[in-house]
Parts: sequence; C-alpha cells; structure tokens
Amino acid sequence: SQKIEQNSEALNIQEGKTATLTCNYTNYSPAYLQWYRQDPGRGPVFLLLIRENEKEKRKERLKVTFDTTLKQSLFHITASQPADSATYLCALVSGANNLFFGTGTRLTVIP
Amino acid sequence: DGGITQSPKYLFRKEGQNVTLSCEQNLNHDAMYWYRQDPGQGLRLIYYSQIVNDFQKGDIAEGYSVSREKKESFPLTVTSAQKNPTAFYLCASSFTGGADSGSPLHFGNGTRLTVT
Repeated sequence: SQKIEQNSEALNIQEGKTATLTCNYTNYSPAYLQWYRQDPGRGPVFLLLIRENEKEKRKERLKVTFDTTLKQSLFHITASQPADSATYLCALVSGANNLFFGTGTRLTVIP
Repeated sequence: DGGITQSPKYLFRKEGQNVTLSCEQNLNHDAMYWYRQDPGQGLRLIYYSQIVNDFQKGDIAEGYSVSREKKESFPLTVTSAQKNPTAFYLCASSFTGGADSGSPLHFGNGTRLTVT
C-alpha cells in the first residue's frame, strides 16, 4: 500500500541547533515533493518544492534534500528559533492532480 | 491582499443536518481543492476543481458535494450521509496545472466543524 511517513510525531530541539525532519514514502513515484508549515488552527503554508531530478534546494535557513533511491526527503532548519515551532508537513505529487500529505512532525524549539 | 477566505472558522451542527462551508479566493487561481484533516492523519482530498463548472472526486468524496459556479468560489456541503463529519476542513487553490505540475497550494485557515 502507499504510505508517507514522517519520522516522528514530535521533535524537541534546543534553540540554535539544526532541526532535521524526515519524510519517507513507499509505492509512490513522485515528480515533486513539497514541504509546508502549519501553525495550530491555521492552514498549511508552502515552504519549498523539490523536483525528482534535484538533490537539494535551499531557502534562507531551510534546506531540503530528495533521494529517490532511498525514497526519502530530509528537511533541515539551521540556527533554529522558537518562532520555527510548528508542524511541518511533507507532500508529494504523484498522478493527476493529487498531492498526498504525510501526517506531519510537530517541532518545538526550546529557548 | 490576495488570499483564500474560509468561513465560518467554527461551525456546530446537529446530526442529520446538511451544512455548507464557504471558500472564496481572490488569487485568480483556476484550481481549487477541499481537504479534510483529522488528528494523526494526513490531509485527505475530498474534491477538486480545475475549471468553472467542473469538479472531480478525491479520495474521500462520499457524503460530500461541491459546486463551482464561479472561479472565485468553491463551497463544500457536508451532507447527512457523511458518517463522521466532525473534522477540520481546509480549502486550497493553485495555478493552472494544479498539483501535478508542482504548483504549490495556497490554503485558507480552515473551518472546524463539530457535529453532535
């Protein structure tokens, strides 16, 4: 069956450290993978997109990698801040007009 | 400011009643989507529409209906046939080409529906 798994439901890290979130998938062949941020009671906000032929993408303190052999994407936040605390969702595009979402990882950055 | 507006933010209904959730966008996006979010589960697609007067079922369309009479609007009706309607509902839109072109989704801030 098709599955998208994000490594842990919750992740706590110290301010200033690098947070690494994992997204693993099975039985998909995604052309794109996206990462979103969701704050409590709000809709997700798009952060980054990476294509299947790209290994890495960066945007300010964010970095995403995409390994189609391992079927895995890693999402890094460097120099993390308490304001980075949120739930992060990975989503992959596979097939026509469908974006499949993982369950998310709730990140807490401790001051 | 461009964006997606969902209303109301909280909605309470008695079992057996139909209820309509509003979604309006002023981003001039062609594609619009409805997702449902439940604790411990990823967002699940209910319906999507790529153009006016056309829409397609998603993975969990049973018990729901939609209309797309205007580009800006994509209301969702939760009918009494939906077995477990209490959830957080999210509306989204994207540029032409939709999700399979990699276009990111722009989400509203959701409507939390409680049915008792």
